Amino acid sequence: DGGITQSPKYLFRKEGQNVTLSCEQNLNHDAMYWYRQDPGQGLRLIYYSQIVNDFQKGDIAEGYSVSREKKESFPLTVTSAQKNPTAFYLCASSAQGEDTQYFGPGTRLTVL
Amino acid sequence: GESVGLHLPTLSVQEGDNSIINCAYSNSASDYFIWYKQESGKGPQFIIDIRSNMDKRQGQRVTVLLNKTVKHLSLQIAATQPGDSAVYFCAETAGYSTLTFGKGTMLLVSP
Repeated sequence: DGGITQSPKYLFRKEGQNVTLSCEQNLNHDAMYWYRQDPGQGLRLIYYSQIVNDFQKGDIAEGYSVSREKKESFPLTVTSAQKNPTAFYLCASSAQGEDTQYFGPGTRLTVL
Repeated sequence: GESVGLHLPTLSVQEGDNSIINCAYSNSASDYFIWYKQESGKGPQFIIDIRSNMDKRQGQRVTVLLNKTVKHLSLQIAATQPGDSAVYFCAETAGYSTLTFGKGTMLLVSP
């Protein structure tokens, strides 16, 4: 059963703590993306990676970090430097040379 | 569910009606466009796409129209069903590997 998985679905953290969101895909896609979604706004790109061991900042990378050690995995760390981390986080992937991105189910992060 | 739809434009239709959702884009260099459907609390789901060398593309119950002159994209859903209720948003790219997303329109279908 191919697809993109994100875990957990809901995540609660105390202010000042770092937290890592998981994203795994078994679609053999080269590119992976992280977006943040806030109510009433379009998706905003945090980081993306087009190949293993390489990634680029998106529009709102401050306070976030990523790694891409394996093709199928692209974890996102929300650090304590992110001023307003409560949001719905979406991971996506696309095949090499393709523009279409396919999304995971999302993780709702709430910082208390 | 998650409040993705707060403050979005809303289209309310009756079951069986045809729905038209619109999207304006600003980058005249954009050459690929996608429509996504997002149900409450879920990730966006690909519906249909279109390249700039086309002005119309049809899928199952859905049609996308592209007017490059006025930089306008629309999604038509035929015989709308309650299961079509969701937020719909467009995305565009000029081929630089990242997509730019619209804010979306909430479609509410009443039985």
